[in-house]
Amino acid sequence: EAGVTQSPTHLIKTRGQQATLRCSPISGHTSVYWYQQALGLGLQFLLWYDEGEERNRGNFPPRFSGRQFPNYSSELNVNALELEDSALYLCASSLTVGSTDTQYFGPGTRLTVL
Amino acid sequence: GQNIDQPTEMTATEGAIVQINCTYQTSGFNGLFWYQQHAGEAPTFLSYNVLDGLEEKGRFSSFLSRSKGYSYLLLKELQMKDSASYLCAVRDGITGGGNKLTFGTGTQLKVEL
Repeated sequence: EAGVTQSPTHLIKTRGQQATLRCSPISGHTSVYWYQQALGLGLQFLLWYDEGEERNRGNFPPRFSGRQFPNYSSELNVNALELEDSALYLCASSLTVGSTDTQYFGPGTRLTVL
Repeated sequence: GQNIDQPTEMTATEGAIVQINCTYQTSGFNGLFWYQQHAGEAPTFLSYNVLDGLEEKGRFSSFLSRSKGYSYLLLKELQMKDSASYLCAVRDGITGGGNKLTFGTGTQLKVEL
């Protein structure tokens, strides 16, 4: 069974540009989560999608947004990039809302903002 | 909100046992997870506790005390490949929090010969 996949592996942008990161969950998983892992910091929760709806978002500005498609894949968009947005962006998926199911992580997208 | 504390670094010897502690203060609780993360890689799931007590999984065990806001991960028969960061994460139990995880900053474990 394929795990969570993310693309691209690496992304280099300049300040002010927009970045789009993509995630495909494990087959059968309906929930997708996005986390940011900046150097030296713990994983910070960004967004949670389930059944196409945004269910919760972390303490990040509105220029971090995303969506979930009918096939449960998801996209994270970061507008007006700033230097401090440089980080590893991790996507995770789980089976159902409200269950005890574990979140399984993808390999991440390394975003570098110059 | 949630506040999670774990030691920044630990060093242990191959073949030994190491215990990594995690304490948390929460406004809601619906389970505690441990993940392993090798440098440059995704976190991989190790264990889950929602009730008090010990969960054993091969060389790895995890313990939870909800009344004390405390968990530990026990690694036995350490191997060099166990050198990694170990992340403690608490699942939010409050309405709207759903399956959101709050992570500690991780404990970097170095296994030496």
